[in-house]
Amino acid sequence: AQSVTQLDSQVPVFEEAPVELRCNYSSSVSVYLFWYVQYPNQGLQLLLKYLSGSTLVESINGFEAEFNKSQTSFHLRKPSVHISDTAEYFCAVSKNYGGSQGNLIFGKGTKLSVKP
Amino acid sequence: NAGVTQTPKFQVLKTGQSMTLQCAQDMNHEYMSWYRQDPGMGLRLIHYSVGAGITDQGEVPNGYNVSRSTTEDFPLRLLSAAPSQTSVYFCASREGLAGVSYNEQFFGPGTRLTVL
Repeated sequence: AQSVTQLDSQVPVFEEAPVELRCNYSSSVSVYLFWYVQYPNQGLQLLLKYLSGSTLVESINGFEAEFNKSQTSFHLRKPSVHISDTAEYFCAVSKNYGGSQGNLIFGKGTKLSVKP
Repeated sequence: NAGVTQTPKFQVLKTGQSMTLQCAQDMNHEYMSWYRQDPGMGLRLIHYSVGAGITDQGEVPNGYNVSRSTTEDFPLRLLSAAPSQTSVYFCASREGLAGVSYNEQFFGPGTRLTVL
């Protein structure tokens, strides 16, 4: 079975500061890795994903995540956050073959609060 | 293109009442799913479907029924509501079947359900 651990439930930071949201996963099979973002009172939106190849993936709004197979981690980073980045961020995995393939397993989420 | 739509946005039920949460997508996606989101728990998969006439259970299926008579619609039924089903419910859809589990899932805006 797969599981996802997001180590921080809340992360407060000041505007223009760097931030790292941590995600570790556990799986006995190969997985795809995702970060989704949920702005207040909205559904989830895909931020970025890792499928294969380069271990560093980037989003269009300045976030990046690095896949580390040896540490089974997929941490999300941004060098300088904005007030508009305030949201809840979810790390997720899905199996890439076998039964229940394609079902997302989510972490419990990290609430990022950016203060002026 | 409306994406994934959910109705109602809010609902209050009494214990023992039944209701159906509606979900529709206009992207011709084969895969659809229902999640519930509870504070500090992330999103947990209730049921999913890989096409019309095919449904399966997720992580927390008890107390919920689904059916998939068309590609577009995937309603979630609560047969006898309980306070433990107070939650925010999200419907999502994804292009492709199991072989393309890396595709983005598109989420609806959610239904906030309170069971008294």
